[in-house]
Formats: sequence, structure tokens, C-alpha cells
Amino acid sequence: SQELEQSPQSLIVQEGKNLTINCTSSKTLYGLYWYKQKYGEGLIFLMMLQKGGEEKSHEKITAKLDEKKQQSSLHITASQPSHAGIYLCGKRDNFNKFYFGSGTKLNVKP
Amino acid sequence: GAGVSQSPRYKVAKRGQDVALRCDPISGHVSLFWYQQALGQGPEFLTYFQNEAQLDKSGLPSDRFFAERPEGSVSTLKIQRTQQEDSAVYLCASSLEPRQTRGLFFGSGTQLSVL
Repeated sequence: SQELEQSPQSLIVQEGKNLTINCTSSKTLYGLYWYKQKYGEGLIFLMMLQKGGEEKSHEKITAKLDEKKQQSSLHITASQPSHAGIYLCGKRDNFNKFYFGSGTKLNVKP
Repeated sequence: GAGVSQSPRYKVAKRGQDVALRCDPISGHVSLFWYQQALGQGPEFLTYFQNEAQLDKSGLPSDRFFAERPEGSVSTLKIQRTQQEDSAVYLCASSLEPRQTRGLFFGSGTQLSVL
């Protein structure tokens, strides 16, 4: 969706390094979702952020929401090969229609 | 079922052929979404159902695309007279309630190749 811009488009990091993926919305965010997709598979829900300033963590992945900036970031600490895949941010509009960004492709070199 | 199930997993069609893609959502899930995902791209919204009602079909690329969910559970996405540009992965997702506070649950997709 053009309403959600993700950066970078792709990322290659050395195992053990930290990384950040960003997602910016051109319209008001009613909630921001992060998903992960392994190549050739469906999407797996990671976490959802609803309020400005909200921060959630799951294992070594932390996501934050800056509602004023209409932006979210996903941070992975001490990356592992298992983190490789495509990370997608998604949002719903006020009609509950659900959109995705174009994705960030992550490769982690062992 | 335990998860969202899509069939077939792979479909090869000759240009001009009609295809039907099936989605079995998680039992009891109210909302059902169809997405089209081209290689290297994020999923693009096609259409959305709440129970049997198709609330939004604005993402369907042309009148060759048709989706239905007649009993509010299983959904079928039909593509008539397939074209090469229809080649993509078609993803189905469902959620328990319309506001998706727990996110969408996705199937593994149907990879359609039109020759």
C-alpha cells in the first residue's frame, strides 16, 4: 500500500548485530501491526501497537509506536539467522480494511 | 480447524483458463481477507468479508476477479480468463472480530502461475 512506507527495502546484517526497520504511515494510525513472512509462506503476527509511545517486546524483537509522527520502528537485538525473512508492517483504516507496507527483506549472515 | 487453510497450494493455469482458489478460515472467525502478493512486494488488499457480507471489493484488479463467502465461512476467489499478470501468491487471512485486535491469521497462500 502507498499509505505505508517501509525502510530499508532490504537489509543484510552479520549475525549478532542489531538492526532497525521503520514504517511510516501517510494517514492517521488506528493501530500498527508487525508481521514476519518466511519465504514462500504466510504471514506470522508479531505484535500490535495501539497507543502513541507504546513499546512491546517479544524475545529479541522490540517495536515502538510514535503516533504523532505516524511512525513505528522494529528493532532486533543480537540478530540470528532465524530472524531472516520479510518484515511487514500493517494498519487498519476506520472501516477495518487492512493494509500492508511493501516489506523489508532481512538476511542474517552466520 | 487449527489454522487458515488454502487450496490448492500451487496452481498452474493456461492463459484464458478460469481458476478457483479456496480459503477455509479458522472456525468462528468473522472477518476474512484476500490479498495478492507479487514477487518481492507486500500483500495488496483485494477484498474483505464480514461474515457473508462482502464489505469492500475495491482492491479487485478487474471484473475478471470475483470472491464469495456464501455461508460466512469458506471463501472462494475466482479468476476468469486468467492473464499472465495474474501470476502471484494469493493469501487469505481471517480474524475473530472486525477490529482485529489480535491481528490477522494467514494461510500459506496459493501460488498461481499463468503460462
